[in-house]
Amino acid sequence: QLVLTQSPSASASLGASVKLTCTLSSGHSSYAIAWHQQQPEKGPRYLMKVNSDGSHSKGDGIPDRFSGSSSGAERYLTISSLQSEDEADYYCQTWGTGIHWVFGGGTKLTVL
Amino acid sequence: QITLKESGPTLVKATQTLTLTCSFSGFSLSTSGVGVGWIRQPPGKALEWLALIYWDDDKRYSPSLKSRLTITKDTSKNQVVLTMTNMDPVDTATYYCARPGESGLEFEYWGQGTPVTVSS
Repeated sequence: QLVLTQSPSASASLGASVKLTCTLSSGHSSYAIAWHQQQPEKGPRYLMKVNSDGSHSKGDGIPDRFSGSSSGAERYLTISSLQSEDEADYYCQTWGTGIHWVFGGGTKLTVL
Repeated sequence: QITLKESGPTLVKATQTLTLTCSFSGFSLSTSGVGVGWIRQPPGKALEWLALIYWDDDKRYSPSLKSRLTITKDTSKNQVVLTMTNMDPVDTATYYCARPGESGLEFEYWGQGTPVTVSS
């Protein structure tokens, strides 16, 4: 079964960097994923697609501070030079056999 | 510029059928490879994919909700409609429509969402 696992919460200081993790379930380590940001009281916004080889392609207007990478079954979202507006929920998303879409449980990022 | 906007009732009663409309612009659902989907988010909880319809009328449903969902499109009106039968208070959520990008897989464009409360 295709499942995405995310830590419920993360925190980092203003101006620092943070790396969020999304883990693919066993047998699905070759899958690409997408990252979405959801600021408080807003709808989700697409950030980027991250492939199994670590390459990534960002959505329009996404700052260079946001980058993606991969290692095995893990997909990462790194945010550098953290700003207050980066405080948000971050969701990973993938797609599986028969083309079904799956979301992770989300990580709530707090900027200290 | 691609935009999507959801509309529908904000309050429905348990056992009733919910009908939501996604109105979009900036693309055509008659273009090969294009699809529009629905995702929901209960208060304080994660996103959950519900359904998606492709340009060729191919339809995909969440296995856990398939028996209750119907997705249709009206290409001439640039609209996608989702119906969900037998609503329950646990279906209270914000419902989003979204369009995958060129790969047809990741949701690249999102609507603002429409809140739906199910009363018992």
